[in-house]
Amino acid sequence: DAKTTQPPSMDCAEGRAANLPCNHSTISGNEYVYWYRQIHSQGPQYIIHGLKNNETNEMASLIITEDRKSSTLILPHATLRDTAVYYCIGSRGNQFYFGTGTSLTVIP
Amino acid sequence: GAVVSQHPSRVICKSGTSVKIECRSLDFQATTMFWYRQFPKQSLMLMATSNEGSKATYEQGVEKDKFLINHASLTLSTLTVTSAHPEDSSFYICSAHIGVYGYTFGSGTRLTVV
Repeated sequence: DAKTTQPPSMDCAEGRAANLPCNHSTISGNEYVYWYRQIHSQGPQYIIHGLKNNETNEMASLIITEDRKSSTLILPHATLRDTAVYYCIGSRGNQFYFGTGTSLTVIP
Repeated sequence: GAVVSQHPSRVICKSGTSVKIECRSLDFQATTMFWYRQFPKQSLMLMATSNEGSKATYEQGVEKDKFLINHASLTLSTLTVTSAHPEDSSFYICSAHIGVYGYTFGSGTRLTVV
């Protein structure tokens, strides 16, 4: 699985867009980029995933660069409930190895 | 959607005793489940891969005799922490692969060994 690098922490004002970057320069051609989040003392929650194209669902948007070496998760209108640790994972769908993630704090 | 139910959510046990954690797939069959451990303010660490009907595969550095994994059916995997010690206190999480959407995770078990 690809090694991912994320900033350790970020703040975002409530109602604003939160843009969370992830570097995955070693990702291989058949590895998807997955984003999960973990709210304190809970199991991780699936957010979105993509291979090459940008993706959008009811929770977020995922922008993947053309060379696939990095991606950005966008939460369009952050709420206080979006405060969590966000993990970016590169995987072919076998084992998931979690990096250190980004701790996002949404500020009122 | 695919749901994994994990029990208990919290357990306190005395040092030297064993604790069993259950992970059930509620509306799908999981031939493979995964067990993670998470210490405070750290990321999830994969401990082992549990395969239905066969032996589990452990990550490097994880003691297989201490963390016993049983996956006797397509809907149930169990993790038993044997002879627990305070340093085994942690948050244990199971997950199952659900195809292209990746994984679904249990809600976790907070183990405290006193």
